[in-house]
Amino acid sequence: AQSVTQPDIHITVSEGASLELRCNYSYGATPYLFWYVQSPGQGLQLLLKYFSGDTLVQGIKGFEAEFKRSQSSFNLRKPSVHWSDAAEYFCASTGYSSASKIIFGSGTRLSIRP
Amino acid sequence: DAGVTQSPTHLIKTRGQQVTLRCSPKSGHDTVSWYQQALGQGPQFIFQYYEEEERQRGNFPDRFSGHQFPNYSSELNVNALLLGDSALYLCASSLGPGQDGSPLHFGNGTRLTVT
Repeated sequence: AQSVTQPDIHITVSEGASLELRCNYSYGATPYLFWYVQSPGQGLQLLLKYFSGDTLVQGIKGFEAEFKRSQSSFNLRKPSVHWSDAAEYFCASTGYSSASKIIFGSGTRLSIRP
Repeated sequence: DAGVTQSPTHLIKTRGQQVTLRCSPKSGHDTVSWYQQALGQGPQFIFQYYEEEERQRGNFPDRFSGHQFPNYSSELNVNALLLGDSALYLCASSLGPGQDGSPLHFGNGTRLTVT
């Protein structure tokens, strides 16, 4: 069955430091992959998406993610975090034949140390 | 450009009652998906509506039902509420379902508390 795993429940990073949030997917073919961010009490906002082509994807707010087929991973990165990046981050995927049925990981909560 | 709007924002119900949550999709979108997000968890797919029909369904009991109207807006109904139904219910709209992988645009959710 299709699944998305985010192994880190909570990460704390100092402001200005680099960030990498991990995501692994389980699906036979190459899925569509997404990263969403959720601020407290809010809905989810799309940061970036990967469908095909270049494996390094640029998103909003300075985020990027790299698709690695050999590792079934789609890790999210940011070179320098800001206090406003503190939020919950969700990796998600949809199977090739399951249009718009997007499956989410359990999320990683990001805290920023001043 | 109006995004996805959900109502109400908060709701308190008693066990055994029924509840209806409402969603208006983003302008130009024709597909609505509903998700349940329990505290500290990722969103869980409930079902998806397109052309006024339920197209896909997640692992939720029949107590969860929905409807889509000709203007693409949607309702989520939950009957015989249980304490475990307490969660944030998120509505998301997209283009599709023919648009494979069409990103979801989320509303801010309805916080349902069952006492």
